[in-house]
Amino acid sequence: DAEITQSPRHKITETGRQVTLACHQTWNHNNMFWYRQDLGHGLRLIHYSYGVHDTNKGEVSDGYSVSRSNTEDLPLTLESAASSQTSVYFCASSGFPLGNEQFFGPGTRLTVL
Amino acid sequence: GNSVTQMEGPVTLSEEAFLTINCTYTATGYPSLFWYVQYPGEGLQLLLKATKADDKGSNKGFEATYRKETTSFHLEKGSVQVSDSAVYFCALTRVTGGGNKLTFGTGTQLKVEL
Repeated sequence: DAEITQSPRHKITETGRQVTLACHQTWNHNNMFWYRQDLGHGLRLIHYSYGVHDTNKGEVSDGYSVSRSNTEDLPLTLESAASSQTSVYFCASSGFPLGNEQFFGPGTRLTVL
Repeated sequence: GNSVTQMEGPVTLSEEAFLTINCTYTATGYPSLFWYVQYPGEGLQLLLKATKADDKGSNKGFEATYRKETTSFHLEKGSVQVSDSAVYFCALTRVTGGGNKLTFGTGTQLKVEL
C-alpha cells in the first residue's frame, strides 16, 4: 500500500544546531507540504512543493528550508534550531487522482533545548 | 486571505450524545471544505469533504453540509462513542497554480466519556 513516512519520530537537539527531518511518500504525488502544529494555532504551512525542483514558502517559513530532488522526498531543514521551533511537524502529499485531498505522515516531535 | 474559525474546545460529551462542532470560513470564490481527525499520537486523516455548495460530506456517522449562504461547514454526529475522542480540524483549500494548499482551523478536542 502507498504511504507517507517521516523520520525520526522524535528528536531532541540543541539551540544552534542544524536539523533535517525526512519525509518520504510512495503515492507518486506531485504535491508535498510541511506543517507545524502548535497549541492554539492548529497547523501552519511552512513550505510546499508542486514538483521536482519546485519549492515555495508558506506562512511560517523563516528559519526553515526544503529541497525537492525527486518525487518521493521533501526533507525539511532547520538551519540553526531555535527554541521557538519546538513543535510537532507533519508532512503531507496530494496529487492524482484525488487532487485536493492531502495525506499526512505520522509526525515528528522536535524539541530544541 | 483565506481563514477558518472553529469553536473552542475541549468539548466533553457522554457516550451516545449528539455532537456539533461549528466551523465557519472566509474565502473568495468556491473553496473545497474538509474535516480532518487526529487521534492521539497520530497524523491527520481525512474524515469527510464537500466540494460545492449544498454538498453533504459523510463518513463513519459524521456529516457536514457546505452552506455557502452562511459560510459554514458544521460537523455533526447523532451518537458519539468513546472511540470518537480525538481532535477535529476544519480546513479549506483553493486550487492555486499546479496544486493546492490547505488552510486549517485551530482544532477542537472532543472527549467522550462513558
